[in-house]
Amino acid sequence: GAGVSQSPRYKVAKRGQDVALRCDPISGHVSLFWYQQALGQGPEFLTYFQNEAQLDKSGLPSDRFFAERPEGSVSTLKIQRTQQEDSAVYLCASSNGDRGWYEQYFGPGTRLTVT
Amino acid sequence: RKEVEQDPGPFNVPEGATVAFNCTYSNSASQSFFWYRQDCRKEPKLLMSVYSSGNEDGRFTAQLNRASQYISLLIRDSKLSDSATYLCVVPGEGQAGTALIFGKGTTLSVSS
Repeated sequence: GAGVSQSPRYKVAKRGQDVALRCDPISGHVSLFWYQQALGQGPEFLTYFQNEAQLDKSGLPSDRFFAERPEGSVSTLKIQRTQQEDSAVYLCASSNGDRGWYEQYFGPGTRLTVT
Repeated sequence: RKEVEQDPGPFNVPEGATVAFNCTYSNSASQSFFWYRQDCRKEPKLLMSVYSSGNEDGRFTAQLNRASQYISLLIRDSKLSDSATYLCVVPGEGQAGTALIFGKGTTLSVSS
């Protein structure tokens, strides 16, 4: 079956540009997560959706970061006025449960480079 | 103390060797733990879940010591295909522990 897909796989943005990253979770998965992975680091939590509700956005690093999942399936992570420190791989994960102990399935990620 | 800390690595071992990775966590209330594997430029994938004292799956054994807040991963008879980064993972405390907290990862390189 289809796994989690993300697009684009690679994005180069000039500093100050806005970007939008898309995530298609596994069909029927209730929970959707966004993580940011800097080079040489483990993924770091950004935000969590249960269906269309954004229940936790404590990991978003600034108000330039915004995420939505309006119909409870596809999600978009938007970064406004990109900065060089935003360069990282952005991973989306989905899960069939609403607790951390349910297995989370990760997409291939979007590698964002801000020049 | 950081929430999840791992051996920095890298670990360079020959094929057939036994290698162990260690991980400590700060949240004493954590009930479940995971080891994820991440190949170079790929996404993390679940390797093992640990809910009680430990778990074994073929050449891989995970052990949990709640008193010391310590998790280990043992790989026996290492294969070239085991070369990857191994991430120690604990559910976070926010919103009923929905998010995962990852360690920085330990890199394993198995050579012939």
